Amino acid sequence: NAGVMQNPRHLVRRRGQEARLRCSPMKGHSHVYWYRQLPEEGLKFMVYLQKENIIDESGMPKERFSAEFPKEGPSILRIQQVVRGDSAAYFCASSPRENNEQYFGPGTRLTVT
Amino acid sequence: GESVGLHLPTLSVQEGDNSIINCAYSNSASDYFIWYKQESGKGPQFIIDIRSNMDKRQGQRVTVLLNKTVKHLSLQIAATQPGDSAVYFCAENYAGGTSYGKLTFGQGTILTVHP
Repeated sequence: NAGVMQNPRHLVRRRGQEARLRCSPMKGHSHVYWYRQLPEEGLKFMVYLQKENIIDESGMPKERFSAEFPKEGPSILRIQQVVRGDSAAYFCASSPRENNEQYFGPGTRLTVT
Repeated sequence: GESVGLHLPTLSVQEGDNSIINCAYSNSASDYFIWYKQESGKGPQFIIDIRSNMDKRQGQRVTVLLNKTVKHLSLQIAATQPGDSAVYFCAENYAGGTSYGKLTFGQGTILTVHP
């Protein structure tokens, strides 16, 4: 059973470009979560999705950030018009049920130049 | 605001010793707690979890203790090995807010095991 997959592992974007981060949950998991981690800090919750639904986006910045988890395919975290402050590691996690252990992917390290 | 924090940011131990990593939480409504291990350049790895109706849970070489009276969580690692060197995070979950989906992470403790 493959773990949570994320790609790309590293992404470099210039200021103003768009970043698309992909996450494929573990088989059988229908709950997906996105977190952001700045250097030497803990993970900060961004958004929680189930198939085709955003359940909790209380951690998402109001502008430029969006997330989706379509019926088919991976979950996508999209950052428009990236700025240097968006540079961070973005982790996706999945779980089989709400309020259950979340299993994390290897992360995407976004660098904005 | 609500937060999960760690008492000790760094911990150095000798191989074979037992390690104890502590975590304080402030939200009395939290009912689910998880410990994660994160190695450099990798995602957090699930270690062990505990629900608020328990005060102790054991895994392989690890034990989690929950003291709801003082809102304290600890992770004990027996016979610590060099491969245990990593950053350890506690995380909490509770039924308040928008959903159960949001884990709140502590700052992290760096564990270094010397051979």
